Amino acid sequence: DSGVTQTPKHLITATGQRVTLRCSPRSGDLSVYWYQQSLDQGLQFLIQYYNGEERAKGNILERFSAQQFPDLHSELNLSSLELGDSALYFCASSRGDRGTTDTQYFGPGTRLTVL
Amino acid sequence: GDSVTQMEGPVTLSEEAFLTINCTYTATGYPSLFWYVQYPGEGLQLLLKATKADDKGSNKGFEATYRKETTSFHLEKGSVQVSDSAVYFCALSVTTDSWGKLQFGAGTQVVVTP
Repeated sequence: DSGVTQTPKHLITATGQRVTLRCSPRSGDLSVYWYQQSLDQGLQFLIQYYNGEERAKGNILERFSAQQFPDLHSELNLSSLELGDSALYFCASSRGDRGTTDTQYFGPGTRLTVL
Repeated sequence: GDSVTQMEGPVTLSEEAFLTINCTYTATGYPSLFWYVQYPGEGLQLLLKATKADDKGSNKGFEATYRKETTSFHLEKGSVQVSDSAVYFCALSVTTDSWGKLQFGAGTQVVVTP
């Protein structure tokens, strides 16, 4: 158990809908990352927050947004969903140290299916 | 930009065989390197890491050495078990970004048969 929790575990919805994925980081971690895992794209970095502020953006669509709250949990909002958004969405957390040595610990993921 | 290339799978082995999964990287700076493992139906677990050249990461019988001269971080295990069947991901912390986002390889599926 990494200490990172994600809810829900599975989500099935229809095209055009909006969903919210939730992540709680490990105790003491200030940084939260979101990744998308799909068969065709592999694991792709979406966005990172540190202590409530956005720090880095990756291949995140404009239909997707995220935020980190004062209690450090984070939510990823996906709207106007398309079939191609079906994927496994991972949250990871780390202490948030600057540089490249920080270690990210991953949650179990939320499997999104868009029908 | 920074990138990771790892050998394609699936890699099929018999129990107690030697496992090697090749991983090479391209980076403009000095990344940290990681191996993560994903068991069926589960999330990613950190297997091992190395933060500088010649560092050796090890865990659960797995080892990988950060080789700057060959830009490689190959994963090895001397004697695999059926329980090692999983997908293994090599990753680096992107050096053009000081906040540590990870760039992953495509993953290598390992199947160990009794």
